[in-house]
Amino acid sequence: GAVVSQHPSWVICKSGTSVKIECRSLDFQATTMFWYRQFPKQSLMLMATSNEGSKATYEQGVEKDKFLINHASLTLSTLTVTSAHPEDSSFYICSAPDAGKAPDTQYFGPGTRLTVL
Amino acid sequence: GQQVMQIPQYQHVQEGEDFTTYCNSSTTLSNIQWYKQRPGGHPVFLIQLVKSGEVKKQKRLTFQFGEAKKNSSLHITATQTTDVGTYFCAGRENTGFQKLVFGTGTRLLVSP
Repeated sequence: GAVVSQHPSWVICKSGTSVKIECRSLDFQATTMFWYRQFPKQSLMLMATSNEGSKATYEQGVEKDKFLINHASLTLSTLTVTSAHPEDSSFYICSAPDAGKAPDTQYFGPGTRLTVL
Repeated sequence: GQQVMQIPQYQHVQEGEDFTTYCNSSTTLSNIQWYKQRPGGHPVFLIQLVKSGEVKKQKRLTFQFGEAKKNSSLHITATQTTDVGTYFCAGRENTGFQKLVFGTGTRLLVSP
């Protein structure tokens, strides 16, 4: 099946620094990618929809200036957490539908665990 | 906005017992998907249901989509310790873009 990778798998950073997370579709092209955040023992919350070649669409309550999304190619989307604070510590997961298959087939990356000290 | 709730939040069973989690959406869904997430892992796709009243089986797992396409259930027969994890339903609204809204999840613990 299709594969989505994320890098890094985990990161620890100091408060106030910025962290970039990459999401790649390895064997298919993804014009759209989704970014989710999951706090411990909670569900996945959609943060934003990343669109190749255009601006991302953010969910209500998600600060677009804090969570910068860039979808520069058909296989790569990046999420940058700017000026990270301890409350941003979470599990960030991306997903991508494979446009070459049924429109509802979506593949999830392995996630990135962010810890802000 | 769309809300997807699951009950129960948590269930602890003895190995061999059955388990069911129920998923309810505030809006009509075009389809529903089920995922399993092991502790420390990421969601893994289990199945997708599209048709009203659809029932699908995967070995000991039975998935059902309600007639009104607003609810769904996952039933596990004779649980095993390998079934431990959190089960999420995720639905797409009948209109608009194809974003998934995840349910609140049901955490299953199975004791040997």
